[in-house]
Amino acid sequence: RKEVEQDPGPFNVPEGATVAFNCTYSNSASQSFFWYRQDCRKEPKLLMSVYSSGNEDGRFTAQLNRASQYISLLIRDSKLSDSATYLCVVNSGYSTLTFGKGTMLLVSP
Amino acid sequence: EPEVTQTPSHQVTQMGQEVILRCVPISNHLYFYWYRQILGQKVEFLVSFYNNEISEKSEIFDDQFSVERPDGSNFTLKIRSTKLEDSAMYFCASSEGQGALVGYTFGSGTRLTVV
Repeated sequence: RKEVEQDPGPFNVPEGATVAFNCTYSNSASQSFFWYRQDCRKEPKLLMSVYSSGNEDGRFTAQLNRASQYISLLIRDSKLSDSATYLCVVNSGYSTLTFGKGTMLLVSP
Repeated sequence: EPEVTQTPSHQVTQMGQEVILRCVPISNHLYFYWYRQILGQKVEFLVSFYNNEISEKSEIFDDQFSVERPDGSNFTLKIRSTKLEDSAMYFCASSEGQGALVGYTFGSGTRLTVV
């Protein structure tokens, strides 16, 4: 069974903190990796793709370790608006994506 | 910014009834998808659609489900005889290229409640 596993949290952090989420995936044939963000009762929104070399987008940094089948997301200088559920997503077929259950982040003033 | 549009936002239906969920994908996108999310659970793949045919489907997508692109803009999901366990948020998505490689844009969803 192709699974994506995440710590559900919640992670409670103060504004300005740095927080990191991890994710493991079981399908060694996966080629594409993403982090999505989902606000309560809303649709998932693509946050960033994850590349083998690691990539950064502003305060967000994503890393991929193919050997360990492990993906991470680092958020620096957390904002109140970062409060959401972060979904680790991996391709599991020609056109399909497998989602983790998500890690909830709560940023407090 | 281009959007995927879904209607209705919320539908309540009686068990055994047929429902049609509607989606208007982004206009230049070629790949279309339906996913669902039962409350408190993860987002699950239902079906992908390309070039007017199903390209992949999950084990959830049984004979009760069908998809159609009746015209150049709409993409619909039909559930023939709804069950209580079909209650979920249904998300339509589209992508310009193969979504598994580039990621999708999701619509805001239709909350289906089967009573």
